[in-house]
Amino acid sequence: EAQVTQNPRYLITVTGKKLTVTCSQNMNHEYMSWYRQDPGLGLRQIYYSMNVEVTDKGDVPEGYKVSRKEKRNFPLILESPSPNQTSLYFCASSLRGGLVSYNEQFFGPGTRLTVL
Amino acid sequence: DQQVKQNSPSLSVQEGRISILNCDYTNSMFDYFLWYKKYPAEGPTFLISISSIKDKNEDGRFTVFLNKSAKHLSLHIVPSQPGDSAVYFCAAKGNYGGSQGNLIFGKGTKLSVKP
Repeated sequence: EAQVTQNPRYLITVTGKKLTVTCSQNMNHEYMSWYRQDPGLGLRQIYYSMNVEVTDKGDVPEGYKVSRKEKRNFPLILESPSPNQTSLYFCASSLRGGLVSYNEQFFGPGTRLTVL
Repeated sequence: DQQVKQNSPSLSVQEGRISILNCDYTNSMFDYFLWYKKYPAEGPTFLISISSIKDKNEDGRFTVFLNKSAKHLSLHIVPSQPGDSAVYFCAAKGNYGGSQGNLIFGKGTKLSVKP
């Protein structure tokens, strides 16, 4: 089944304790992206990746890191989480990114993160 | 400043009637518009899209209308069903330098369809 998977689905942690949220897709998509969803703010892009080893900042990248060493994986790293990073996180992928292409994005099920 | 706006946080409709969800945008360089639907505890799923060169796209009960001069699009659901109750996100894709073709999302509208 074609899908985007995220782990963990739920995580409660404490301020400053490094964590990684994994994202994997099995559709051979080039483009991957991370979003956070907060009440009243909708979906905001954190980082995106056009292809392997190509990553770039979205609208709210502060406090996050990403890597794209393999096409299928795009982990989100919080080196020193803070309470304002408590949010619902979504990973998404599409066949291609870029100006010319239009491909619908497929979303993972979400990771609910609480930072105490 | 918000480039994609969904000014109604919520909408309540009776089953069988029409649901109309609205979205306004500010950037004339958007070339595609998409609607996503999100149920609780799930990720958003793609619903329907429209190219900026069209003014209407229909898929079953769902129709999206685009008014470029007003920078406005709307999603019509006819007839509405209780299973349509979800949060609907409007999104736009830019085709200008710097946008990288990324999607910009509105804040969402929560639709409740009452039996």
